[in-house]
Amino acid sequence: VQLQESGPGLVKPSETLSLTCSVSGGSISYYYWTWIRQAPGKGLEWIAFGYFYRGANTKYNPSLKSRVTISADTSKNQVSLRLSSVTAADTAVYFCARTGPVALSGLDVWGQGTTVTVSS
Amino acid sequence: DIRMTQSPSSLSASVGDRVTITCQASQDISNSLNWYQQKPGKAPKLLIYDASNLQTGVPSRFGGSGSGTDFTFTISRLQPEDTATYYCQQYDDVSLTFGGGTKVEI
Repeated sequence: VQLQESGPGLVKPSETLSLTCSVSGGSISYYYWTWIRQAPGKGLEWIAFGYFYRGANTKYNPSLKSRVTISADTSKNQVSLRLSSVTAADTAVYFCARTGPVALSGLDVWGQGTTVTVSS
Repeated sequence: DIRMTQSPSSLSASVGDRVTITCQASQDISNSLNWYQQKPGKAPKLLIYDASNLQTGVPSRFGGSGSGTDFTFTISRLQPEDTATYYCQQYDDVSLTFGGGTKVEI
């Protein structure tokens, strides 16, 4: 299984950031998919996770919950993240990662990450 | 929210040394604890899952133990390629939380 994040690279303050994680070599069904970010020189911060088999079960970091949505397009085998009202504090490398199957465990497959800069 | 306190934040050791990193959870998390290695510019790599299980393909010099609130990660004989930052991470039904990281230098 391979994960590839994609996104705009540069986003203006107050705009909405949209990222996509394209999954190849396996189905997104039966696994949990997470978004994690890492600000420059900082540690890892969990953003959201979702389970998209027979519906959607999603959970969010409380500190970001009001601005974040995780979703999936099973027909395209993609998982997406939307983060609204971005500020400079949202500048980070954003990773998608897989855990499962069926239940949460270690994040065993990661994408390479995509760098997002928030600046006017 | 479950908070993870990882220590030390950095350490320096010699090749062949035994290295120990600890992680403390703010509440009982049973064995829902994973350990990762991250090298500069790279994504984290899963080393230990569910507190003590070695991920497939990871060298046996890496190990983990603990349950409840107190966990330990060990490198039995430090190698030059182990220079990296290591993170613990807890999970439950509604959240994931990472520790602050430990930078290991040779």
